[in-house]
Amino acid sequence: AQKITQTQPGMFVQEKEAVTLDCTYDTSDQSYGLFWYKQPSSGEMIFLIYQGSYDEQNATEGRYSLNFQKARKSANLVISASQLGDSAMYFCAMRGLGGSNYKLTFGKGTLLTVNP
Amino acid sequence: GAGVSQSPSNKVTEKGKDVELRCDPISGHTALYWYRQSLGQGLEFLIYFQGNSAPDKSGLPSDRFSAERTGGSVSTLTIQRTQQEDSAVYLCASSRTSGSLGYEQYFGPGTRLTVT
Repeated sequence: AQKITQTQPGMFVQEKEAVTLDCTYDTSDQSYGLFWYKQPSSGEMIFLIYQGSYDEQNATEGRYSLNFQKARKSANLVISASQLGDSAMYFCAMRGLGGSNYKLTFGKGTLLTVNP
Repeated sequence: GAGVSQSPSNKVTEKGKDVELRCDPISGHTALYWYRQSLGQGLEFLIYFQGNSAPDKSGLPSDRFSAERTGGSVSTLTIQRTQQEDSAVYLCASSRTSGSLGYEQYFGPGTRLTVT
């Protein structure tokens, strides 16, 4: 079984500042993947970044980076230089890798508001 | 290239009626997933297809729900005798494979179902 916990229902950040969205997870899988998705008010889930449990380096994609601390079972998303368009719901998710693992387990999400 | 498309974008139906929701995955993606997003339950996995077969239907909430996929492409989620608790956004996603490679799932815009 897998579980994702996002403890911040809402976060506020000033434009151009950095923000960290928290995510902790629990799993019995030896090999797993961690994902972050963005869901703007339009409703579409947009894939942002992926981190494999076997990756030694933290993943980065443009202004997004994933602060992966395996021993603490955390996979926080860091957004640098926030923009107004970053205002959205952010979901942390995970799945096991290989074999019959395929479905994503999602957290409850964090609503990020970027203030001008 | 074209992303995942879903139709209709919105569907209002009367309790007891049947509805069909359609998903057209990204071309070449062999794996297809249905999720449901509701306020009370968050994002829930419903069913997964690899090609035309559905190895896991355990997420379907009741026997009123069924899904099929034809030609390894388009999938249809059918809800019979709709109930008010079926009201939710139904999201479809696809990925290149379901294994370790091609692990990112790309989501469509969803179908918002309202049962009155």
